[in-house]
Amino acid sequence: DTAVSQTPKYLVTQMGNDKSIKCEQNLGHDTMYWYKQDSKKFLKIMFSYNNKELIINETVPNRFSPKSPDKAHLNLHINSLELGDSAVYFCASSQAQGRRETQYFGPGTRLLVL
Amino acid sequence: KQEVTQIPAALSVPEGENLVLNCSFTDSAIYNLQWFRQDPGKGLTSLLLIQSSQREQTSGRLNASLDKSSGRSTLYIAASQPGDSATYLCAVRPSGGYNKLIFGAGTRLAVHP
Repeated sequence: DTAVSQTPKYLVTQMGNDKSIKCEQNLGHDTMYWYKQDSKKFLKIMFSYNNKELIINETVPNRFSPKSPDKAHLNLHINSLELGDSAVYFCASSQAQGRRETQYFGPGTRLLVL
Repeated sequence: KQEVTQIPAALSVPEGENLVLNCSFTDSAIYNLQWFRQDPGKGLTSLLLIQSSQREQTSGRLNASLDKSSGRSTLYIAASQPGDSATYLCAVRPSGGYNKLIFGAGTRLAVHP
């Protein structure tokens, strides 16, 4: 069983388009995250939701809008895509906010903006 | 602002060698430190998590140490195998606030037969 899944796995699109990436976790976790891994391989947190409430927003352009319809899903919608948005986007989840909680990552969505 | 640095950026070794990957962080106010493995085109797999009160954690051929006061961690891989080839990422969870991880850029390891 896949613990954290993302769709699509690959996304190639033109500048200016709007696109969405979906994430689902079947671990029963309360908290979900979006990270961006850029061309230099740095992983940086973008957003985090706990029980469907936004708790972390790391100065991400407002073209990016996360949506959590329920605890098991956290989707990422991106408006007016730019070349610099090309990256790998990882979804993750954790049980809660405790100090001992590890995060479980999805396989990533590779976004290429042309 | 917390920054995480990993040295070396890349490492190529023959099979069977013992090796050490290094991670340093600028702010010692952390809850824990994690080592992850990333295979090409895949997600991240958590290898070891060390709490701030711990000095080391072991899992099979992997041993991770933490010296919080000096802002350093090492990942020791014993008797390396070609299957260990991957990128190894170090991440810290800052104290206070919500659960977010600050990652280093990783060490790309190649173990050749």
